[in-house]
This record gives sequence, C-alpha cells and structure tokens, in this order.
Amino acid sequence: ETGVTQSPTHLIKTRGQQVTLRCSSQSGHNTVSWYQQALGQGPQFIFQYYREEENGRGNFPPRFSGLQFPNYSSELNVNALELDDSALYLCASSLKTGIETQYFGPGTRLLVL
Amino acid sequence: QKEVEQNSGPLSVPEGAIASLNCTYSDRVSQSFFWYRQYSGKSPELIMSIYSNGDKEDGRFTAQLNKASQYVSLLIRDSQPSDSATYLCAVPPSGAGSYQLTFGKGTKLSVIP
Repeated sequence: ETGVTQSPTHLIKTRGQQVTLRCSSQSGHNTVSWYQQALGQGPQFIFQYYREEENGRGNFPPRFSGLQFPNYSSELNVNALELDDSALYLCASSLKTGIETQYFGPGTRLLVL
Repeated sequence: QKEVEQNSGPLSVPEGAIASLNCTYSDRVSQSFFWYRQYSGKSPELIMSIYSNGDKEDGRFTAQLNKASQYVSLLIRDSQPSDSATYLCAVPPSGAGSYQLTFGKGTKLSVIP
C-alpha cells in the first residue's frame, strides 16, 4: 500500500456526461500527477499539480481539467465523456524533488457507455 | 515526441529461469529510467530505477542501462509465478521542472510453474 487513495474505485457513465475523480496524496507529498491507462497500454500523462497550480500537461483536450486543494488532494474532471475515455485513471503523488518517489494509487476504472 | 518502446509479449518463462525484459527510448539525453510492475487490475509499483550506464542489482532483479544504444533492460533471476505481471518501462523528461513519466506499453510476463 502506498498511502495514496482514490475514489471511486469503479464508475459507469454514459457518453456526454461529466465525471469527477478524487485522489488523496501520500502524507507529506505536495505533487499529484494524473495518468490515463487504456486497456493494453501504458499509462499516459494527463497533467500534474504542484502546490495547487498546474505544473505540466500532456496531450489531452481541455475537457480534462483538474484541481489541487490546500491539503494537496486533487480532483480530475472530465466533461462531455466519450467512449474512448473508458480507462483506468491513476493518480500518483510525489515530492517534487524526487521523481522516483512517485507512488500510484489503486486507480479508478471508468466505463463510458 | 518522446517514445518508449517495449515488446508487448506475452513472454513466457519456466519457473526458476531468467526473464529478460527490454526497453528502448528515443530521447538521447534521458538520464533516469524506471521499471514498474503492474499486476492485473492493480496500479503500477516501482521496482527499479537506474541512472548510470551498467548494471544495478536489487535482490533477484537487475536493471541494465546502455545510454549509447538507448536501451534499458530488466532481468529477473529465479523467476517465480508471483512475478507474472506486466512490466512497464518509464522515462521522465530531460528538461528541468517537469516530472511526468513517459511509459512504454508494457511487457506481459508469465512464469510457468
């Protein structure tokens, strides 16, 4: 167990809906990164938050947005869901000074019908 | 666009044998490399990191890095059925201030009892 928690564990939505996924970082970690992992693929970087500010973004459209709160927990919001958004969404927390200490949560599995 | 390539497998080895997993990367200036293990339905778990050319050993695991050939490998000695998982190679960006990881698609390893 890494100390990173995510909720919910599973979610089913329909195309066009909106979803919010949540992540609580490991104690003492001020950086949260979000990844999308489609079936049979490696995780793909969505964006990272450091001290409540976005600190880098991958090749994802603006309908993917996020927040980080003063306690360093984070949300990932996806609007106008598409079928291809079905994936495992992973949150990883780290101290910004040490990328090797990037710890992944258990993930949220999203199915878009 | 940074690329990380892995043979998707599956790679099957008998119990007790050496499993060899390979990864190539496109960014010549990459300085650090990570191997993650991901059990089916679970999130990735960091098992090895390597920064210098040569070998790094940790128990039954050995990471090998050849920067000139842009090649990193993971050897698992005395493979056990519990090693059956997908192994992901990951590379952080070479620029400062950004800590996202670029993952390969992963190699699925099956250790046959």
